[in-house]
Amino acid sequence: EAGVAQSPRYKIIEKRQSVAFWCNPISGHATLYWYQQILGQGPKLLIQFQNNGVVDDSQLPKDRFSAERLKGVDSTLKIQPAKLEDSAVYLCASSLGGSSEAFFGQGTRLTVV
Amino acid sequence: GENVEQHPSTLSVQEGDSAVIKCTYSDSASNYFPWYKQELGKRPQLIIDIRSNVGEKKDQRIAVTLNKTAKHFSLHITETQPEDSAVYFCAANSAGNMLTFGGGTRLMVKP
Repeated sequence: EAGVAQSPRYKIIEKRQSVAFWCNPISGHATLYWYQQILGQGPKLLIQFQNNGVVDDSQLPKDRFSAERLKGVDSTLKIQPAKLEDSAVYLCASSLGGSSEAFFGQGTRLTVV
Repeated sequence: GENVEQHPSTLSVQEGDSAVIKCTYSDSASNYFPWYKQELGKRPQLIIDIRSNVGEKKDQRIAVTLNKTAKHFSLHITETQPEDSAVYFCAANSAGNMLTFGGGTRLMVKP
């Protein structure tokens, strides 16, 4: 089966610019996660969707980050405006829901200069 | 919310030795505990998971133990090989099946 697809793989932007990441989960997976992984740290959950509804976004910096999952399939994560500390790998993951395996995409490596 | 602590942050072993990584969690309602392996520049991949209705699970050289009373779980790798070198993350679920990850353990297996 096809895995979780993310694009772009790499992005370099200047601070205060905006950026968007795209994720296509595994077909049929109701749950979609966005994680931020700073170098040398574990993935930090930003937002979790169940179909097209938000389950949790308590760790999403809502003044600059936004995410949506239209029609309960693809999802986009946006940062506007970016800060230097946003430099990280942004990982998208999906699962069938419940206590089931979460499959990760390759991630988008963001560098803010 | 859930808090997952992982130790040690780095672990160096000789090829053939065993490696043990430990995690603690805070949410007593957590019932799913996966372990992921992440090689440099690659995505995290599930290597083993355990649910709260069992205390131990084994898959070849990898085993996971769970102590729900103490709220801790451990990953055991026996007969380590150089290809086991990677960063390992534990995780625990909480309300809404949010997955919270530990900080990671960098395992180095010396040939």
